[in-house]
Amino acid sequence: KNEVEQSPQNLTAQEGEFITINCSYSVGISALHWLQQHPGGGIVSLFMLSSGKKKHGRLIATINIQEKHSSLHITASHPRDSAVYICAVYRGGSNYKLTFGKGTLLTVNP
Amino acid sequence: DTGVSQDPRHKITKRGQNVTFRCDPISEHNRLYWYRQTLGQGPEFLTYFQNEAQLEKSRLLSDRFSAERPKGSFSTLEIQRTEQGDSAMYLCASSPPGGPGELFFGEGSRLTVL
Repeated sequence: KNEVEQSPQNLTAQEGEFITINCSYSVGISALHWLQQHPGGGIVSLFMLSSGKKKHGRLIATINIQEKHSSLHITASHPRDSAVYICAVYRGGSNYKLTFGKGTLLTVNP
Repeated sequence: DTGVSQDPRHKITKRGQNVTFRCDPISEHNRLYWYRQTLGQGPEFLTYFQNEAQLEKSRLLSDRFSAERPKGSFSTLEIQRTEQGDSAMYLCASSPPGGPGELFFGEGSRLTVL
């Protein structure tokens, strides 16, 4: 079992829908990243959080440390949101080594 | 552009050849990371530099892999005697001092070993 599990692996939505991507981890962590990867490779950090909730535009990330779970929400989804979304954690005691989930492929159809 | 840059973006080589990738991090970032990503998988940690010191090297890296960051600025990742299993995207990222910190990734160097 991977230390970082994401669900679903693939998600197809219609433009305007509310999207939720989940991340569960089995180790103690110091912080968690949500990353976005478009075809071709480039990865962009969307959020880094260690507690509570963060919001940036239409994106919202939450984390529950006790339940070892984080969610990424996209409101009013748009085709340009189509990408792979990756959850990654800094294991407790490490402030540099990330463990990554396999990613969730999101496709938003117009 | 002041982001993380990687070169080359694509490399096709024959099995047994040596290849070298370069990463130029954001200038004020003292932390530099190399990751490897294969199709359908998340990135895997390869190695980490803080300034010029290589503080950790993954067990994924065989003796054929070596990384350097001689002056604490740019870094190189060399793969000797490439094998088909080395085909992957090699990603570089950097972050500022302190931590855990926000990561900034390069576009990656895609290696294809024939």
